[in-house]
Amino acid sequence: GAGVSQSPSNKVTEKGKDVELRCDPISGHTALYWYRQSLGQGLEFLIYFQGNSAPDKSGLPSDRFSAERTGGSVSTLTIQRTQQEDSAVYLCASSLQDMRSSPLHFGNGTRLTVT
Amino acid sequence: GIQVEQSPPDLILQEGANSTLRCNFSDSVNNLQWFHQNPWGQLINLFYIPSGTKQNGRLSATTVATERYSLLYISSSQTTDSGVYFCAVPGGGADGLTFGKGTHLIIQP
Repeated sequence: GAGVSQSPSNKVTEKGKDVELRCDPISGHTALYWYRQSLGQGLEFLIYFQGNSAPDKSGLPSDRFSAERTGGSVSTLTIQRTQQEDSAVYLCASSLQDMRSSPLHFGNGTRLTVT
Repeated sequence: GIQVEQSPPDLILQEGANSTLRCNFSDSVNNLQWFHQNPWGQLINLFYIPSGTKQNGRLSATTVATERYSLLYISSSQTTDSGVYFCAVPGGGADGLTFGKGTHLIIQP
């Protein structure tokens, strides 16, 4: 596609429910990233995929968070048993190659509110 | 992990003014990226600049990798330049870019 697409744009969920966030990267981009931005804060790195593989999952905040990427394209970030501190904007980015050699392009994010 | 510091944290200017934003980083890097987050939250990549100087319209950026800093210049500011400017570098583990805390720029008409 023309840009990185994320859905839904907004999600309100009750504490304890599971949510799934989706990211569709720019066509042909092999690298995909998930970040989290809390209100008025900077960007917190969550996870990186090269192709379908995530070499290091240590950036995920807790074991309630998981992510996968299939077909070298679409990625989903799943949060189980959501907590109020999970409320944030979840941003996805992609790059042609890894971020050491290619610029990152971000989607518009999913604003998650846990009530 | 690598530390990224941006200054100033906040900047308020009148339309038409020029500004310089600074990004210092604690370790050697092989690239640096500047982003603009507009008031609606959209993050736009401004520059991918490992070293040297690049220009794009009223914006330009210079990275001096050997001295571990980068500068973003905005000339003839417009209200649409308002937002938060982030710099980001590789490092910090887990293969993600590490972002600074940003410079919050407000351009007043």
